Amino acid sequence: QVQLQQWGAGLLKPSETLSLTCVVDGGSLGAYYWTWIRQPPGKGLEWIGEVSYYGSTNYNPSLENRVTISLDSPKPQFSLNLTSVTAADSGIYYCARFLGAAPPDVWGQGTQVTVSS
Amino acid sequence: QSVVTQPPSASGTPGQRVTISCSGSRVNIGGSTVNWYRHLPGTAPKLLIYNSNQRPSGVPDRFSGSKSGTSASLAISGLQSEDEGVYFCAAFDDSLNGPVFGGGTTLTVL
Repeated sequence: QVQLQQWGAGLLKPSETLSLTCVVDGGSLGAYYWTWIRQPPGKGLEWIGEVSYYGSTNYNPSLENRVTISLDSPKPQFSLNLTSVTAADSGIYYCARFLGAAPPDVWGQGTQVTVSS
Repeated sequence: QSVVTQPPSASGTPGQRVTISCSGSRVNIGGSTVNWYRHLPGTAPKLLIYNSNQRPSGVPDRFSGSKSGTSASLAISGLQSEDEGVYFCAAFDDSLNGPVFGGGTTLTVL
């Protein structure tokens, strides 16, 4: 049973870079798309972007000028970098897996990120 | 706020059947499969239904899903107290080229 274990800094100052990592525990990166999703306080879930098992990326247009998602192969893990954060980037960040044009099936436990001066 | 709409709350008594709806559009639910999840605070969302009506192994058959046009539904029969939590739906959105999510429905077992 694949599990996603995520970690990273939870408290940032404005203009800093958010960096999170998600480890694929019990599986490999092969044939899947690996994604990051966030939920700001009091709001719905928002897709940030994805990286495929062969390294191609696809980002939400609202964030694409600040976001980078990459594989850390041969380790089975992938990472999120979001630059120039503001308070609006605060929320719970989730990593997840999906297969093709379908919603995610496996999720990480979430990381609370707070941006505050 | 959310592209896909769910009622904010639902409730039922033990043993009852409850249904949670998920409404979208042609570019998401209308053209995609739908997944349903239960989410408890501080934990990873758990997949209950995939491909609109399929249950992963280990999910009781009390949970069922359906889709018609641009809407989908999750039905829970034989309601139990441990079914409480937030339930949300997800679909792939062709205009975004990524997944979109319902706002979540908080289920209370009275």
